[in-house]
Amino acid sequence: GAGVSQSPRYKVAKRGQDVALRCDPISGHVSLFWYQQALGQGPEFLTYFQNEAQLDKSGLPSDRFFAERPEGSVSTLKIQRTQQEDSAVYLCASSLGLAGGDNEQFFGPGTRLTVL
Amino acid sequence: GIQVEQSPPDLILQEGANSTLRCNFSDSVNNLQWFHQNPWGQLINLFYIPSGTKQNGRLSATTVATERYSLLYISSSQTTDSGVYFCAVERSNTGKLIFGQGTTLQVKP
Repeated sequence: GAGVSQSPRYKVAKRGQDVALRCDPISGHVSLFWYQQALGQGPEFLTYFQNEAQLDKSGLPSDRFFAERPEGSVSTLKIQRTQQEDSAVYLCASSLGLAGGDNEQFFGPGTRLTVL
Repeated sequence: GIQVEQSPPDLILQEGANSTLRCNFSDSVNNLQWFHQNPWGQLINLFYIPSGTKQNGRLSATTVATERYSLLYISSSQTTDSGVYFCAVERSNTGKLIFGQGTTLQVKP
């Protein structure tokens, strides 16, 4: 079956522009996660959805970052007024179960964001 | 918060050699995963192994939860095994994975 998909795969933005990154999780997966991966580092948690509810947004670096999953499937990560330090790969993951349960996470290919 | 440490940070092998990668974590966890990040950046699931031992072809993994470490074994390495190997843990019921810094493996022909 299809895995997690993300679009666009690459995005170049001028500083100050708004961007929107899309994630299509594996069909039927309840949990959805966003991570940010800087060059040479491991991914770092941004936010977690259980169905349409955003249960944890403790990793979002500033109020310029906003995520939603209105129908409990597709999710969008929006970054307003992008800054150069936002340049990174943004990874989406989904899992069948809930936190603390069957929570094996499967990752999409990522969106590489470059802010000029 | 929980700390995840991987060793070694870098590893160079000749094709056909065996290797062991280690992941130490500082607190109890209810989920542990090993990933291979290929040169195109895709994170590939290797093992979901909060405890015990699993094997998949040339790869195997062991997690000793009570001693807070996990090991990934790669036997008869191939050039396609090159890339970065990440260990990631989920602390109880939080959902989020905390990643180590990774081990960069290069397998030479």
